[in-house]
Amino acid sequence: GQQLNQSPQSMFIQEGEDVSMNCTSSSIFNTWLWYKQDPGEGPVLLIALYKAGELTSNGRLTAQFGITRKDSFLNISASIPSDVGIYFCAGQFKRGNLIFGKGTKLSVKP
Amino acid sequence: NAGVMQNPRHLVRRRGQEARLRCSPMKGHSHVYWYRQLPEEGLKFMVYLQKENIIDESGMPKERFSAEFPKEGPSILRIQQVVRGDSAAYFCASSPLGIGETQYFGPGTRLLVL
Repeated sequence: GQQLNQSPQSMFIQEGEDVSMNCTSSSIFNTWLWYKQDPGEGPVLLIALYKAGELTSNGRLTAQFGITRKDSFLNISASIPSDVGIYFCAGQFKRGNLIFGKGTKLSVKP
Repeated sequence: NAGVMQNPRHLVRRRGQEARLRCSPMKGHSHVYWYRQLPEEGLKFMVYLQKENIIDESGMPKERFSAEFPKEGPSILRIQQVVRGDSAAYFCASSPLGIGETQYFGPGTRLLVL
């Protein structure tokens, strides 16, 4: 089946740092989405991207839909403690279901 | 505007029992998707339903699993004769018009099979 490669798998952040993560796929998607999941909760939509090359911001978050339609990245600027959690990319074909990456776990540096 | 509701939030079953998971979509949404998440993994698509219709069940195991979304009431994911490997978090998402529309997720049901 289709797979998304999401990296990094995990990262430690210090408050104020910028964070970057990305997803690549062997398939071309119509839509790329980024979700955040907190422990014990469902994924919450952060950003949705609908066009190749599209760059969209949501507060301190910025995401881009790659030109080839096979990749996307998410940047978080000036991270704060509440940014910790697991971030998932998801690609969507026309038929509707989402294909998820394995997630990037953000933790606070000890 | 209430979000997607799922119940129960936690469910414990013994091997061989049945599990029934319920999902009430957001108001105005008539399309429902079910996903399963194993620990340390992303979500995996199971089934896509519209009111009274199964649109895509390509991700659902052929045996023991079934789903419905009746004209009235919540969507139900039913797992018969549960096995330990069914232990996972099951998430429901809804969207207003289906294909191409943003999906909004519920809080999930954590199923534990003893």
